[in-house]
Amino acid sequence: GENVEQHPSTLSVQEGDSAVIKCTYSDSASNYFPWYKQELGKGPQLIIDIRSNVGEKKDQRIAVTLNKTAKHFSLHITETQPEDSAVYFCAAQGFNDMRFGAGTRLTVKP
Amino acid sequence: DTEVTQTPKHLVMGMTNKKSLKCEQHMGHRAMYWYKQKAKKPPELMFVYSYEKLSINESVPSRFSPECPNSSLLNLHLHALQPEDSALYLCASSPPGLDGYTFGSGTRLTVV
Repeated sequence: GENVEQHPSTLSVQEGDSAVIKCTYSDSASNYFPWYKQELGKGPQLIIDIRSNVGEKKDQRIAVTLNKTAKHFSLHITETQPEDSAVYFCAAQGFNDMRFGAGTRLTVKP
Repeated sequence: DTEVTQTPKHLVMGMTNKKSLKCEQHMGHRAMYWYKQKAKKPPELMFVYSYEKLSINESVPSRFSPECPNSSLLNLHLHALQPEDSALYLCASSPPGLDGYTFGSGTRLTVV
């Protein structure tokens, strides 16, 4: 089955700086890669996703890149704000269900 | 309506109790999921329903029993749980094919 590794487990940045979270996956059949943000007391919320036929996707301050050959994908947040503080999960999905990475706790210091 | 609604938000139950968690969505999604999330861990898949039929059961103990009465509702029946079953139980739904999941806010379950 799919195995998703996510790094780092914790990340602290100063407000306005950029944050990068990286994931690798094992199943070459995976072709959909969403990113979720989970705030305290809430369920995960989809923030951006990318499909295997695309190398990069951007939505305002958030961007995701995918290297399907290397089985790597990354989340980039620019101009971070305190409200970006949360746990971020990457995930990979193939024919069946979706598997999550272990999560990254991002703290943005004002 | 773009939400997944879960009730109750909090539940405390004894090891001999029977209780049910409920999940509802009106987005027309035909896939619905139950996940279990322990503190500081990612969600772990429990069950997948596709077009109201159970398609994946991730070797979950029989004390957890899912039910999908119709395309909008998903239940999780609980019986004879153990303290280690205490966790946040998340329901999610998605359209057919490869697309993001919409998660509810979860039920925080405590087994005493």
